[in-house]
Amino acid sequence: QKEVEQDPGPLSVPEGAIVSLNCTYSNSAFQYFMWYRQYSRKGPELLMYTYSSGNKEDGRFTAQVDKSSKYISLFIRDSQPSDSATYLCAMIPTNAGKSTFGDGTTLTVKP
Amino acid sequence: DVKVTQSSRYLVKRTGEKVFLECVQDMDHENMFWYRQDPGLGLRLIYFSYDVKMKEKGDIPEGYSVSREKKERFSLILESASTNQTSMYLCASSLGRELPGEQYFGPGTRLTVT
Repeated sequence: QKEVEQDPGPLSVPEGAIVSLNCTYSNSAFQYFMWYRQYSRKGPELLMYTYSSGNKEDGRFTAQVDKSSKYISLFIRDSQPSDSATYLCAMIPTNAGKSTFGDGTTLTVKP
Repeated sequence: DVKVTQSSRYLVKRTGEKVFLECVQDMDHENMFWYRQDPGLGLRLIYFSYDVKMKEKGDIPEGYSVSREKKERFSLILESASTNQTSMYLCASSLGRELPGEQYFGPGTRLTVT
């Protein structure tokens, strides 16, 4: 069983919809949680970075971490066609080891 | 802005060739990483380095080696390329103990081995 499981998708939504992207994990040592966005034929870029439980908001994006359930989510409000990409969750323990990535969810936002 | 550059966007090599993939970062980052990305398999870590001349095996190091002679440069070497090494290769760097996990990726090299 993988340490990090990500909803596989693909996901297709109309413009303006609220999108929820989700990952679960099994390693309770994970303390830092990241979301990366990867456009086609590009490298991933860091979108959100959170530490431990709680919510973090940045514009239309909200990252949510529930450590008790070992569950993280990325919400996108008022989704735009430019949000069409693959979203990767990632997490890392406190002692700065290597990150563990989810397999990614491909999102398409239709105009 | 952090910039991570990779020597080639597309590369075609023959089976058995020695292949060098170069990665350079310009932000004085301590850590550098090499991943491959394949459909259905996600990002898999090949090797990483915490410091100059230091390297650690990742999840799939077989068939690969690395070199980090200077802090800003991390090279991935395929000693004898095989068709199952056809993939997208991504280099990344991160600052170090501060903000662990905050990685900056290069644009990727799509390698085809024929």
